[in-house]
Amino acid sequence: QQPVQSPQAVILREGEDAVINCSSSKALYSVHWYRQKHGEAPVFLMILLKGGEQKGHEKISASFNEKKQQSSLYLTASQLSYSGTYFCGTESGANNLFFGTGTRLTVIP
Amino acid sequence: NAGVMQNPRHLVRRRGQEARLRCSPMKGHSHVYWYRQLPEEGLKFMVYLQKENIIDESGMPKERFSAEFPKEGPSILRIQQVVRGDSAAYFCASSPDSRGKLFFGSGTQLSVL
Repeated sequence: QQPVQSPQAVILREGEDAVINCSSSKALYSVHWYRQKHGEAPVFLMILLKGGEQKGHEKISASFNEKKQQSSLYLTASQLSYSGTYFCGTESGANNLFFGTGTRLTVIP
Repeated sequence: NAGVMQNPRHLVRRRGQEARLRCSPMKGHSHVYWYRQLPEEGLKFMVYLQKENIIDESGMPKERFSAEFPKEGPSILRIQQVVRGDSAAYFCASSPDSRGKLFFGSGTQLSVL
């Protein structure tokens, strides 16, 4: 039930863009995105519900393709503060959330 | 409004001892989730509870692990007869409803010697 994330890691220079993908083998009710900095707790970014919506949070936005059971997180004009590990969490109707293995994002000056 | 409180922050146990991890959800939250995280790995779902009920424990090992969320007091994750492989960070998260965003605690780092 664990979703698959790609890439596993990415290094960006400040100002560059990145896309993180999340896919599931099961039909999805919703997709969550969280960011975790080293040694800290994961922090909520956004939820996307089925219906193919796209949401935004500062310069971070996401899309959810219900038919393809995929979601993508878009980071534009990256900042140093964006560094961390990004997790997608997927819900398939059982009211619990399974997280992917994470994508480690490093933004360098 | 205080966040999700987990204690202890660090717990050291010798093999064979018991570990008790506590989680006090945010005020008004009746849904609690426990996750385990190994270094450089993802968050592995363990159990989902509502007040006094276990909703989904599909991620819990069949032996030695148990969880509860009583009517009064924190949620407890209990690990009996710990082994070195139990060493990990254990995160608790709470939510005011099912399918809502999760608020995570700071985690308990369990080290088994």
